[in-house]
Amino acid sequence: DIQMTQSPSSVSASLGDRVTITCRASQNVSTWLAWYRQKPGRAPNLLISAAGGLESGGPSRFSGSGSGTDFILVINNLQPEDFATYYCQQANSFPFTFGPGTTVDLK
Amino acid sequence: QVQLAQSETEVKKPGSSVMVSCKASGGSINSFVVNWVRQAPGQGLEWLGGIIPLFNKSTYAQQFQGRVTFTADHSTSTAYMELTGLTSEDTAIYYCARETSGSLDPWGQGTLVSVSS
Repeated sequence: DIQMTQSPSSVSASLGDRVTITCRASQNVSTWLAWYRQKPGRAPNLLISAAGGLESGGPSRFSGSGSGTDFILVINNLQPEDFATYYCQQANSFPFTFGPGTTVDLK
Repeated sequence: QVQLAQSETEVKKPGSSVMVSCKASGGSINSFVVNWVRQAPGQGLEWLGGIIPLFNKSTYAQQFQGRVTFTADHSTSTAYMELTGLTSEDTAIYYCARETSGSLDPWGQGTLVSVSS
């Protein structure tokens, strides 16, 4: 199975801040990488597909990049609804696997 | 747009089975792949597998093989996940989601399965 890691595990930030989250795969996943935001008590919500594709209707303050084993999610101009947990997920091979999550909380 | 509505909370005894439903609206379940993901309390996301309802073909994560079964009812556009041999470690919120090229969207609202004696 492909193992996914994320860093940091948590980050404290203020409204308007820029936050960067990294995701690393134990094997090459090309660009088969998605990012999700999960607000407390809610189902995850797809933000980015194919490593860098912003979902239709998704806020433009989110951007993703990377390929192979190293990926980045950037959140610009942090908004109140962005205080949540973020997960990366590889879809290069079965079983699909998720990173452990990065929690963004209020500084 | 496609929406997925899941069944309500289930409370089960150890050793029993549970079936969770996932009803699609705004599109036929035959037109997409349904994945199942679970989340234990305070934990991360764990993929159980997926089903292509049109072909009734399923893929299961190894750790659930033999204990989980995915099915679909085309007439009601509903997918089902059955998990047998429940233990307290199966206590989690179970989600269904449409898979498109490996990305999961949208997700159902989740179904809490609580296993306790």
